[in-house]
Amino acid sequence: QKEVEQDPGPLSVPEGAIVSLNCTYSNSAFQYFMWYRQYSRKGPELLMYTYSSGNKEDGRFTAQVDKSSKYISLFIRDSQPSDSATYLCAMNDYMDTGRRALTFGSGTRLQVQP
Amino acid sequence: GAVVSQHPSRVICKSGTSVKIECRSLDFQATTMFWYRQFPKQSLMLMATSNEGSKATYEQGVEKDKFLINHASLTLSTLTVTSAHPEDSSFYICSAQRQVNTEAFFGQGTRLTVV
Repeated sequence: QKEVEQDPGPLSVPEGAIVSLNCTYSNSAFQYFMWYRQYSRKGPELLMYTYSSGNKEDGRFTAQVDKSSKYISLFIRDSQPSDSATYLCAMNDYMDTGRRALTFGSGTRLQVQP
Repeated sequence: GAVVSQHPSRVICKSGTSVKIECRSLDFQATTMFWYRQFPKQSLMLMATSNEGSKATYEQGVEKDKFLINHASLTLSTLTVTSAHPEDSSFYICSAQRQVNTEAFFGQGTRLTVV
């Protein structure tokens, strides 16, 4: 079993829809959670960064973390064709010194249809 | 703006030659940087952890003599693919964490094609 599970998609939605992307994980020590957006042939771009459980909102994006269920979500409101990309969840148990690599989900490919 | 810069973005080389990829942290010092490899439609695969002033730590199955990593300064790590072969063709990405308890940033990636 992978440490982080993420549905690869593709997930196709119409423009303006609310998108829900999710990851589950097995390591209860994870406490730092990130969502990255990756366009084809580009490096991942950080969208959201959260620590421990709770919600965080930034513009059209909302990140949720439920540590009791080992489940994290990213919601995109009013989705746009420019949101079409692969979304990667990432997490870590220890970010203090920056010496530990992130554990990634496999990525979900999102397509927003105009 | 980008805080981690990677160069070159694309490179084509002949089989048997070596290729060097640079990863720079632009406005912060990074004692540790990470190198990933990504195949089409797959997630990032950690190759090695690059530590300033010491040897890199390689993940299981990654040949350290083939993928040479040098972290000579607090803002620069290099990955050299030695004696490249077509199967080394891939997308290589580096990352670093800016400060304590903050998020990790990625370079733009390097697409290597070995012909």
